[in-house]
Order: sequence, then structure tokens, then C-alpha cells
Amino acid sequence: ETGVTQSPTHLIKTRGQQVTLRCSSQSGHNTVSWYQQALGQGPQFIFQYYREEENGRGNFPPRFSGLQFPNYSSELNVNALELDDSALYLCASSLNNPGANVLTFGAGSRLTVL
Amino acid sequence: KNEVEQSPQNLTAQEGEFITINCSYSVGISALHWLQQHPGGGIVSLFMLSSGKKKHGRLIATINIQEKHSSLHITASHPRDSAVYICAVTNTGNQFYFGTGTSLTVIP
Repeated sequence: ETGVTQSPTHLIKTRGQQVTLRCSSQSGHNTVSWYQQALGQGPQFIFQYYREEENGRGNFPPRFSGLQFPNYSSELNVNALELDDSALYLCASSLNNPGANVLTFGAGSRLTVL
Repeated sequence: KNEVEQSPQNLTAQEGEFITINCSYSVGISALHWLQQHPGGGIVSLFMLSSGKKKHGRLIATINIQEKHSSLHITASHPRDSAVYICAVTNTGNQFYFGTGTSLTVIP
């Protein structure tokens, strides 16, 4: 059984650029969620995807968008990067069962915006 | 005000001590999660619960739905327990809310 893998692990972008982060779900999981964690803060929920549709979203602007693919892997896209977007981006997969949605997290992608 | 509040923010304990971390939330939930995050970012799910109590090794998690409160207890703490412990809740709309975490340091 493979866990959740994220890529890239680290990247540096400049303000105004666009970034795509990738996540492969744990085998058997059909739901993926994305989180932003700024230094010294707890994770903030960005959104969740189930069956290739967004089915939950936190308080993030539309320039944060995502995709889920038929194999349940996912992408997080951020357009028009701002300095405050510098953070650790975490992906977690789970089963879409509100009574049993144990999360399995990836190690994260650390984004630095200069 | 955050939807999930944890206390304390920082905690230092001697090896062997009994530790309690508290979590209060203000939204209706379908589940509450306790997570452990080690330096470098990796997060591990410790517990998911919606009622009562769960135990795994030296870790015990309890939840009181009426009071919207949960506690994570660590018995016989050990330096390897040093980490950030995060409380998170899932509401009925599949949204997640996270506390800011409790940073635990266990001194030998």
C-alpha cells in the first residue's frame, strides 16, 4: 500500500507567476484535500475533491484552483502568486465517508515566492 | 475567533509526565481529528472520533459533543513524543477547520 506522495518537495517562484503542485492519493482513497500551512501556523483548508468535483472549499480566492483525475490524483494550481502564498502546501487523501474519513497526509510541497 | 481553539500553545514536560492537550470548537462537526506533526512537516493522523473515547498505546483521545470539547492525553510521556499536536474538525459540509497546534517538548 503506497502512501500519499507530493511533488515537487520544494520550489521557488516569483510574484505574479503560476505554480502547479501535484499529489498522488493513497491506494483505495477517492477523496483528496489540500491545505496551506504558513510558518508557525496550523494548516488552513483550501478545498476538497471527490469524483473529480470540488465538494468543499475554504476561504481562499479563485486564483487557487484544483483538479482531480480519474485515478484520484490531484493538482493544486495557484495563479498570480503573491508573497503571502509562501507556505507548505499539504495534500491528504481519504475515503469519502463522513464517519470514517481518516486522513493520510503527504509530506508537503514547500513554496517560496520571492 | 477561530473555529477550533487549542490550549496550551506550548507545553514542556519532563519524561514520564502525564500530558493533556485541549481542543474546543464552535461548529457542528461530523468528526474530530488529532494529528501529529514532526519538524519538517510530515503529518500523521492519530485519531478520528465522533463520540466517546479512543486509546492507542499511550495516547487517549476523548470528545464531549455537548460541550464541543476534546482532549488528547499522553501517559508516561517520552522525548520521542515531542511534536506539534493539531486538532481538526470536519463539518457536515466536508470542510476542515484546524487549530494552530500545541507544540510539545518532552525533556529527558
